[in-house]
Amino acid sequence: ETGVTQSPTHLIKTRGQQVTLRCSSQSGHNTVSWYQQALGQGPQFIFQYYREEENGRGNFPPRFSGLQFPNYSSELNVNALELDDSALYLCASSEVRTGTGSGYTFGSGTRLTVV
Amino acid sequence: AQSVSQHNHHVILSEAASLELGCNYSYGGTVNLFWYVQYPGQHLQLLLKYFSGDPLVKGIKGFEAEFIKSKFSFNLRKPSVQWSDTAEYFCAVNLSGNTPLVFGKGTRLSVIA
Repeated sequence: ETGVTQSPTHLIKTRGQQVTLRCSSQSGHNTVSWYQQALGQGPQFIFQYYREEENGRGNFPPRFSGLQFPNYSSELNVNALELDDSALYLCASSEVRTGTGSGYTFGSGTRLTVV
Repeated sequence: AQSVSQHNHHVILSEAASLELGCNYSYGGTVNLFWYVQYPGQHLQLLLKYFSGDPLVKGIKGFEAEFIKSKFSFNLRKPSVQWSDTAEYFCAVNLSGNTPLVFGKGTRLSVIA
């Protein structure tokens, strides 16, 4: 089975710019979640997509937006970048099952630096 | 809102020492519990998970965790650590299969020879 792949691995952007991060889900997974991991912190939930619709959002402003495509790959877009947006952005995919929860598979992340 | 607390920010152990990392969560309902590990420069990997049943869960690489509902705890243990266990460890919780994970801030484990 393929894992979760994210691109690019590293990115440097200037404050005020816009960025798009990409994620390919693990084969068979229909749910994708995005997390922001600041230095020295645990991952913080940004939002989640299930069958191309956003079905959960964390405490992030609207300039963080996303998409999920029919093949379950996903994008995270961040507009008007701020210095505090510098972090590791993680994508996680999972398969929804009835009853007990399934595990999440994480990608290696995109390291975004805003200067 | 749910929250997860990991008591230790940084733990330093000698090889062969026993490990216990604390994790407490705040939510009164039914939860799923996870421990993830992040080796330097690598992605988050699932060590073990608890959904229901036996509260003592065994995971990969000799790790285990015990769910104590009355204490809202899910502590991670390993009887004898190795240098290769040096990593960041994250406890996480969610409410069901399709709800987002809430992570603790992580515990950095350094194992010295």
